[in-house]
Amino acid sequence: ETGVTQTPRHLVMGMTNKKSLKCEQHLGHNAMYWYKQSAKKPLELMFVYNFKEQTENNSVPSRFSPECPNSSHLFLHLHTLQPEDSALYLCASSQVEGEKLFFGSGTQLSVL
Amino acid sequence: GEDVEQSLFLSVREGDSSVINCTYTDSSSTYLYWYKQEPGAGLQLLTYIFSNMDMKQDQRLTVLLNKKDKHLSLRIADTQTGDSAIYFCAESWTGANNLFFGTGTRLTVIP
Repeated sequence: ETGVTQTPRHLVMGMTNKKSLKCEQHLGHNAMYWYKQSAKKPLELMFVYNFKEQTENNSVPSRFSPECPNSSHLFLHLHTLQPEDSALYLCASSQVEGEKLFFGSGTQLSVL
Repeated sequence: GEDVEQSLFLSVREGDSSVINCTYTDSSSTYLYWYKQEPGAGLQLLTYIFSNMDMKQDQRLTVLLNKKDKHLSLRIADTQTGDSAIYFCAESWTGANNLFFGTGTRLTVIP
């Protein structure tokens, strides 16, 4: 148990659905991240929040919308996704931005 | 961008030592990390080393850093079947967009 909890573990959605991924960390960290992990590709950083403020948006399409209401919670709102968005979405947190990240178990997303 | 390269696969026999290698291109790294990912799980931070260190040992794990050659390795002594996983090397310097992961090495331990 890393102290970073993601729900749901698995999600199947159609291209017209709206869904949200949730991440919660119990480590007292200040920075939270969303990563995308696709088969045979390096981990892709999507968004970073530091002290609830977004510090990175790595050219992510607008159909992915992050929300960070406080330092312990991070959401990824999904809308009108494409089949190529199917991947493992990993949340992470760290005390200092960019250092020693702790990851959740991920949400395996399938877009039909 | 930054390149962090790893071999894709490694197989070892149970009880032997495993050595997973990683090369990187940027010499400005502050930290270098090894993460482990088991099937269906997220990445678990195994160990890390400051860029001003050459070696770090933690129980069965030994990390070696050769800054001149920009080479990082992870040695697992007495490899067990539970060590079968994908191992990711990563390097960072200040700022989240300066954290780069390799593509991962899949370690298979043969009983």
